[in-house]
Amino acid sequence: GAVVSQHPSWVICKSGTSVKIECRSLDFQATTMFWYRQFPKQSLMLMATSNEGSKATYEQGVEKDKFLINHASLTLSTLTVTSAHPEDSSFYICSARTGGESYEQYFGPGTRLTVT
Amino acid sequence: GQNIDQPTEMTATEGAIVQINCTYQTSGFNGLFWYQQHAGEAPTFLSYNVLDGLEEKGRFSSFLSRSKGYSYLLLKELQMKDSASYLCAVLDSNYQLIWGAGTKLIIKP
Repeated sequence: GAVVSQHPSWVICKSGTSVKIECRSLDFQATTMFWYRQFPKQSLMLMATSNEGSKATYEQGVEKDKFLINHASLTLSTLTVTSAHPEDSSFYICSARTGGESYEQYFGPGTRLTVT
Repeated sequence: GQNIDQPTEMTATEGAIVQINCTYQTSGFNGLFWYQQHAGEAPTFLSYNVLDGLEEKGRFSSFLSRSKGYSYLLLKELQMKDSASYLCAVLDSNYQLIWGAGTKLIIKP
């Protein structure tokens, strides 16, 4: 149980275009979803936290107009990287939490974004 | 500020035992997680400690001392597939996960 999927697993896009990444909880309802970014040989960096039906809470330094997050349902959250630049190239990972007494986060497999 | 410290890199031999330490200073404490992350993959859950003591799960064990702000992950009978980064993360008073930078474990034959 507690499987999280992400799509696409990798994407290459041109500078200036937008890319949407989907995160789905397959067998549970995720009250909270998290979006992380990870550069090579660095730790996870939390970008934003989103609860279903409400606006995402962004971490300091993360541009909310550039990284659009939509948590439309209890099983789906999307991250759209708008007007992508080469410095946005990174490994983007989502995770989901079931809520209640459990604070364990279940991670998706990640999406590797390369902006050329 | 909030701080989690763990060694950057460790090397161990196949079949041996290795202990990865994690010390933390956070605003509140609601539990400590250990995750394993292979290169190019997302983290996977290993353990969760909220009370002091040792939790054993197969070849992996995790220990917590809340008074010392200290935890360790113990890996026994090391296998080559255990080569990965091990991430320590603390759930703070706001139930937000604070992540350590990770320890890269290299297993040699």
